[in-house]
Amino acid sequence: QITLTQEAESLWVSPGEKVSITCRASQSLLYTDGKDYLSWYQQRLGQTTKALIYHASIRTDGVPTRFIGSGSGTEFTLSIEDVRPEDIALYYCLQTLKKPWTFGGGTKLELK
Amino acid sequence: QVNLLQSGAALVKPGASVKLSCKASDYTISDYFIHWVKQSHGKSLEWIGYINPNTGYTNYNEEFNSKATLTVDRSTNAAYLELSRMTSEDSATYYCTRWRRILYYFDHWGQGVMVTVSS
Repeated sequence: QITLTQEAESLWVSPGEKVSITCRASQSLLYTDGKDYLSWYQQRLGQTTKALIYHASIRTDGVPTRFIGSGSGTEFTLSIEDVRPEDIALYYCLQTLKKPWTFGGGTKLELK
Repeated sequence: QVNLLQSGAALVKPGASVKLSCKASDYTISDYFIHWVKQSHGKSLEWIGYINPNTGYTNYNEEFNSKATLTVDRSTNAAYLELSRMTSEDSATYYCTRWRRILYYFDHWGQGVMVTVSS
């Protein structure tokens, strides 16, 4: 199965800063259609899980432009510019190229 | 607006089974695949499998082949996850989630249901 590694279990950030969360795949997530099968999700306390990014870089409806997905193949990054208190959450990457679909271990974003 | 409402927390005895529900509202459940995800220790996520509510076709993560059974009741617009022969390893929060087939992401999630296995 494909392993997704989110090296940072926790990241501390001050409001207004930029933070990057990385996700590394054990094999390429780039399919022959030219798309990477990698999405990002946000889990905030007391709220349902929210999809942020799909195909590595496309924001889902209503997601602020300060959430930026980048990368291809085996290395992916979710960047959050101008971090706000409401961004404090757990962030996960998910690969849907090959079954079983697998998630990264999660990165907890915390305020300094 | 689209909502996936899951049943309340469950306390289950070791060796018993439990059936969790996920009721869809504001859309017809047949129109989207429903997937289930397990979250253990408040962090790590595992994909359990999915059901095509239109056909009843299911696909499971091999890790859950003998543990999980997915079903759907189109008349009540609900999906179900049954977990059998429960052990302490099955204590977790379980989520149902709706799959956007063309775009390849989970666009709506249930609120999750905490299952505790204890005698």
